[in-house]
Amino acid sequence: DADVTQTPRNRITKTGKRIMLECSQTKGHDRMYWYRQDPGLGLQLIYYSFDVKDINKGEISDGYSVSRQAQAKFSLSLESAIPNQTALYFCATSDGDNYGYTFGSGTRLTVV
Amino acid sequence: GQNIDQPTEMTATEGAIVQINCTYQTSGFNGLFWYQQHAGEAPTFLSYNVLDGLEEKGRFSSFLSRSKGYSYLLLKELQMKDSASYLCAVSPMNYGGSQGNLIFGKGTKLSVKP
Repeated sequence: DADVTQTPRNRITKTGKRIMLECSQTKGHDRMYWYRQDPGLGLQLIYYSFDVKDINKGEISDGYSVSRQAQAKFSLSLESAIPNQTALYFCATSDGDNYGYTFGSGTRLTVV
Repeated sequence: GQNIDQPTEMTATEGAIVQINCTYQTSGFNGLFWYQQHAGEAPTFLSYNVLDGLEEKGRFSSFLSRSKGYSYLLLKELQMKDSASYLCAVSPMNYGGSQGNLIFGKGTKLSVKP
């Protein structure tokens, strides 16, 4: 099994629908992150969490919310999806400042 | 604020050496990472520099100059499988210490030709 698992891998949804992207990890890391990637824009930070009771906004949090249900689980929600939220979404974990991220395989979301 | 610049695209020949540059301006700096990302896949960790100088790992090396806000990734003996995007990422700091997240550049798409 992968260290960081994202579900679903692909999703097409309609404008205005609520959708949740899920991330779970077996690394035992406290830090978890959600990024989105758009062509030509690179990876942009949406939200991050350093433990179950800690949630922090990233640079593009508007239109998104998160829940850290357990150390191993960090979900991202789009309350009312809009077409410009069409992107590739990555969850990542980290063991600390001097360690790199371990990324999930990504969720390709299309909002029509 | 933070700003990270790297070239958008580069082309090189199989067997050659290529250098991908990254410059950054951040309010505080804790270290710099390089990642490789094949199209449609997740980024994978390549290297981490926190002190000035060169870190070598097989065919890949990464250099950092903190005073110049500059890093490069050097790829030797290029192979076709090295065709990918290479992401420079900075670990920023604030008054309380490390922010605990990474700021990514937009990536450099490297194409390796036969």
